[in-house]
Amino acid sequence: GAGVSQTPSNKVTEKGKYVELRCDPISGHTALYWYRQSLGQGPEFLIYFQGTGAADDSGLPNDRFFAVRPEGSVSTLKIQRTERGDSAVYLCASSPDRAGGLTDTQYFGPGTRLTVL
Amino acid sequence: AQSVTQLDSHVSVSEGTPVLLRCNYSSSYSPSLFWYVQHPNKGLQLLLKYTSAATLVKGINGFEAEFKKSETSFHLTKPSAHMSDAAEYFCVVTTSGTYKYIFGTGTRLKVLA
Repeated sequence: GAGVSQTPSNKVTEKGKYVELRCDPISGHTALYWYRQSLGQGPEFLIYFQGTGAADDSGLPNDRFFAVRPEGSVSTLKIQRTERGDSAVYLCASSPDRAGGLTDTQYFGPGTRLTVL
Repeated sequence: AQSVTQLDSHVSVSEGTPVLLRCNYSSSYSPSLFWYVQHPNKGLQLLLKYTSAATLVKGINGFEAEFKKSETSFHLTKPSAHMSDAAEYFCVVTTSGTYKYIFGTGTRLKVLA
């Protein structure tokens, strides 16, 4: 079946501009995650959605970053007043998030490479 | 607090020789551990995971890893490297029942013909 998809695959913008990155999770997955991967680093957690609500946004670096998931499926990561330091690959993942205390496998999309000039 | 250390940033092996990618973790509670592979311009793909069942975990493409609590290690191995194994590999730790993945910095595997 279809995996996690992310659009656009590449985004180049100028410092100070606003960008939106989209994530389409695997159908039926209730949990959705955003990570940021800087050059030469492993991905770092940004935010976790359970359904429509952000259950944990502790990884968002500052208030220029915001994410929504209004209908519990597609999510959009929004970055205001972009800075050169925001340049990275933004990864989205989803999981079934079954109850029972088990750790679900997260399924990752190919990422959006954001370049801020 | 949880953390994971991948001891080698780059590993080179010849095709047909064994692969060893090292990972050490730190976790206050019973950890769940994963290995993911990332090919260029592709998403992270799960190779295998440990979630407190058998300590020797077999994954896809001939990879396996052994959970050693006494050594806090979860090293990834493969008996015979293939050219298609060239990629970036990430070790991940989390606590059972939680969702936040903690990634290592990655190991880039190069396979020489």
